[in-house]
Amino acid sequence: NAGVTQTPKFRVLKTGQSMTLLCAQDMNHEYMYWYRQDPGMGLRLIHYSVGEGTTAKGEVPDGYNVSRLKKQNFLLGLESAAPSQTSVYFCASSYSIRGPGGKNIQYFGAGTRLSVL
Amino acid sequence: DQQVKQNSPSLSVQEGRISILNCDYTNSMFDYFLWYKKYPAEGPTFLISISSIKDKNEDGRFTVFLNKSAKHLSLHIVPSQPGDSAVYFCAASGLRSGAGSYQLTFGKGTKLSVIP
Repeated sequence: NAGVTQTPKFRVLKTGQSMTLLCAQDMNHEYMYWYRQDPGMGLRLIHYSVGEGTTAKGEVPDGYNVSRLKKQNFLLGLESAAPSQTSVYFCASSYSIRGPGGKNIQYFGAGTRLSVL
Repeated sequence: DQQVKQNSPSLSVQEGRISILNCDYTNSMFDYFLWYKKYPAEGPTFLISISSIKDKNEDGRFTVFLNKSAKHLSLHIVPSQPGDSAVYFCAASGLRSGAGSYQLTFGKGTKLSVIP
């Protein structure tokens, strides 16, 4: 069971460089999410998607773009990286955002540790 | 605006004793609560959840209690084991204030250390 797979696991960027983080899930989930985790800040939602071809802003969307061209993939892009974007990024997926029976339980990938110098 | 609060950054417990992790929330629109466990260098994994229509949910050594009037929930681990040492995140599902949509809002986490 692969579940949610994130690539790459580590990356170091220079200020102003761009990169794309890839998230893939094999659970046929409709919903996918990108979070960032910073020390003492918990998990904060960057962007999310409620289905193929849709995206929406979360709590901290500035400086990031996302795309959901295929149901199983959710891409997070940094067009011009800044040191403030140094963080650990987690992708997650779920059947739903609400509903009984645990359909809104989110399953997480192992994370991407990004450093921007 | 911190809508889910875990006021204890860390907690140390002796093996075999009870661990109690606390979480408070301010948004009365939250109606489903989850606890996640996170080991270093891994993603969070779902542990246990509770709907707002219940006040207790139990799964093996883990029990979550919900006090809606106090907007407070707690996770009890009995007995605590060294393998339980991890960061525990409380999360709330519902219409997040200022968001206009249903989202999962996380607390900052509590690092539990179970001492052998």
